[in-house]
Amino acid sequence: EPEVTQTPSHQVTQMGQEVILRCVPISNHLYFYWYRQILGQKVEFLVSFYNNEISEKSEIFDDQFSVERPDGSNFTLKIRSTKLEDSAMYFCASRSTRGAAGELFFGEGSRLTVL
Amino acid sequence: QKEVEQDPGPLSVPEGAIVSLNCTYSNSAFQYFMWYRQYSRKGPELLMYTYSSGNKEDGRFTAQVDKSSKYISLFIRDSQPSDSATYLCAMSGNFGNEKLTFGTGTRLTIIP
Repeated sequence: EPEVTQTPSHQVTQMGQEVILRCVPISNHLYFYWYRQILGQKVEFLVSFYNNEISEKSEIFDDQFSVERPDGSNFTLKIRSTKLEDSAMYFCASRSTRGAAGELFFGEGSRLTVL
Repeated sequence: QKEVEQDPGPLSVPEGAIVSLNCTYSNSAFQYFMWYRQYSRKGPELLMYTYSSGNKEDGRFTAQVDKSSKYISLFIRDSQPSDSATYLCAMSGNFGNEKLTFGTGTRLTIIP
C-alpha cells in the first residue's frame, strides 16, 4: 500500500540551528501538508502546498519556516533558526485530487528535539 | 470557546463493548468531519470521513454528524484490543486544501 515516508525519524539540534525535515508523499498526490504535534497537545496545521506554491499557512508558520518541493518526489520543511518551542513531532501529509478535503494520508512523523 | 472540543479520556472498556467517542465544535463553516486513529508514536490514520450531516457506516465503525447541534460521534461496535489507540476528530471547511482542525484526541484502551 502506498505510504508517505518521512526522514529523519528523530533529529536533535541546538537552538538556533537550521533543520530540514524531508517527506516523500504518495506518488500521485498533488496536495501536501505539514502538521505538528507538541507532546501532549493536539495536532496543529502548519502549511498546505499545491501547484508549487503555498495555498494556506497558519500563524505558527512564520518567517522561520519554509517549504519546498525541490524535485518531483520530495517535499521539505525547513526551520531556519530553531527555538526550544519548535520541539515537536512534525507530520507530513498528502492528498490526491480525487480525495475530499480531510482525506489526508499522514507519514509516521519526524520528532524534532531542540536543546 | 475552543474551536473543537474533545474529551481526552482516558477511556477504558472491556473487549466486545460498544464505544462512543464525541466532539463538539463552534465553527459553522465546517463541512467535512473526519475521525483519525493514532497509535503511539505513529502518524494519524484516517478511519472515517463524512460530509455535512448524517451517518456513515464502515464495518464496526459508525460516524454521525449533527450539524444543528455541532456534535459528531464515532461508535465502535464489538471493540477489539487492536482498537486501543488515540482517536482524533478533525474538521475542515469547504473545497480543496482547507486545513484540518483537530480535537485533542481521546485515548482508548480495550481491555481483553
